[in-house]
Amino acid sequence: KQEVTQIPAALSVPEGENLVLNCSFTDSAIYNLQWFRQDPGKGLTSLLLIQSSQREQTSGRLNASLDKSSGRSTLYIAASQPGDSATYLCAVRGNTPLVFGKGTRLSVIA
Amino acid sequence: EAGVVQSPRYKIIEKKQPVAFWCNPISGHNTLYWYLQNLGQGPELLIRYENEEAVDDSQLPKDRFSAERLKGVDSTLKIQPAELGDSAVYLCASSLVAGAGEQFFGPGTRLTVL
Repeated sequence: KQEVTQIPAALSVPEGENLVLNCSFTDSAIYNLQWFRQDPGKGLTSLLLIQSSQREQTSGRLNASLDKSSGRSTLYIAASQPGDSATYLCAVRGNTPLVFGKGTRLSVIA
Repeated sequence: EAGVVQSPRYKIIEKKQPVAFWCNPISGHNTLYWYLQNLGQGPELLIRYENEEAVDDSQLPKDRFSAERLKGVDSTLKIQPAELGDSAVYLCASSLVAGAGEQFFGPGTRLTVL
């Protein structure tokens, strides 16, 4: 059974800092990995989708990497801003439905 | 382009009452998903539709939950009767490509059962 773990569970950083969120998964037989953002009381916003054949994807200040063989992904956020404060979720898709981690709650302090 | 639409956004009901949630996916998206999200947890899949066919409903508690997508477009998720433990956020998502396609989520319906 696929299990997804996100570390840390919560993170607080000063504005302008670069940061890394971690995601690990137990079964490396995946089709893709997706990073989402969730604001309080809102739905999920897709940030980046990495196919299993890819190593990384970039969108603006966000960069996501995937090491399928080791079961790890990282989300790098450059020059963090207070507006980046949210919960970040990673999810993996394999032969099972999309399996989510519990998320990392990020607070960027001005 | 409109995103995934869900209604209502909030619902408060007494236990044992029925409740229904509605979802309209992104136009052209044949795959539709219903997820349940408890506080502090990631979403968990309840049911997945390919057009009007439910292709994965193994996690749907069929004694009280039901879903339909009669014309392969919008969908309704129903709970009857609701229990206290059903209080959660119910999320709908859709994807253009079946199976491993990128999923786009709606704002969710927050259900409170008293």
